[in-house]
Amino acid sequence: SAVISQKPSRDICQRGTSLTIQCQVDSQVTMMFWYRQQPGQSLTLIATANQGSEATYESGFVIDKFPISRPNLTFSTLTVSNMSPEDSSIYLCSSTDGGRNEQFFGPGTRLTVL
Amino acid sequence: AQSVSQHNHHVILSEAASLELGCNYSYGGTVNLFWYVQYPGQHLQLLLKYFSGDPLVKGIKGFEAEFIKSKFSFNLRKPSVQWSDTAEYFCAVRFGDDKIIFGKGTRLHILP
Repeated sequence: SAVISQKPSRDICQRGTSLTIQCQVDSQVTMMFWYRQQPGQSLTLIATANQGSEATYESGFVIDKFPISRPNLTFSTLTVSNMSPEDSSIYLCSSTDGGRNEQFFGPGTRLTVL
Repeated sequence: AQSVSQHNHHVILSEAASLELGCNYSYGGTVNLFWYVQYPGQHLQLLLKYFSGDPLVKGIKGFEAEFIKSKFSFNLRKPSVQWSDTAEYFCAVRFGDDKIIFGKGTRLHILP
């Protein structure tokens, strides 16, 4: 099974600033995913990040607001740009194993925007 | 559009009661089905999954789920719940293009 770590685990940021969240997987994976879990709600897929190609964004999410990098098969970053209090959420990184049998999740980054 | 629906948003049961949480999805193609659990303050954990074969799937901690293709459903069951089952439960579906969509979740509260 894949082990996923995220940094930072939490942060408190000012409105208008940006935060980059890092995601590290302990094995090479083709597909990585970024989710958002707003308070009291379910997980919403932000985008799918494949190494060597542009991230694919879900409806309601755009690259200018949530730029994603995927420089290699074990690492990805998500930036939350020009933050507002509505961006306060838990951001989760996820990947599937080689056989796509299971999806693993990182511990999440709890973001609070003041 | 692809979607996942969980019918119960908040369920309260007494210990030893039986549990069934509903999950339906809208998609006519091939799907993989999952139930995840999130205990208070913890990560998401996989309870069980269905890819193919026997539509009755057994998972960890005594949970099981049945895939009924004709009803586009994948309901989660447990015959006798325990206080430690208090958590949030998410149904998730992988649609043909590899992305997984989650339902809105069901908060389960077990009374001791």
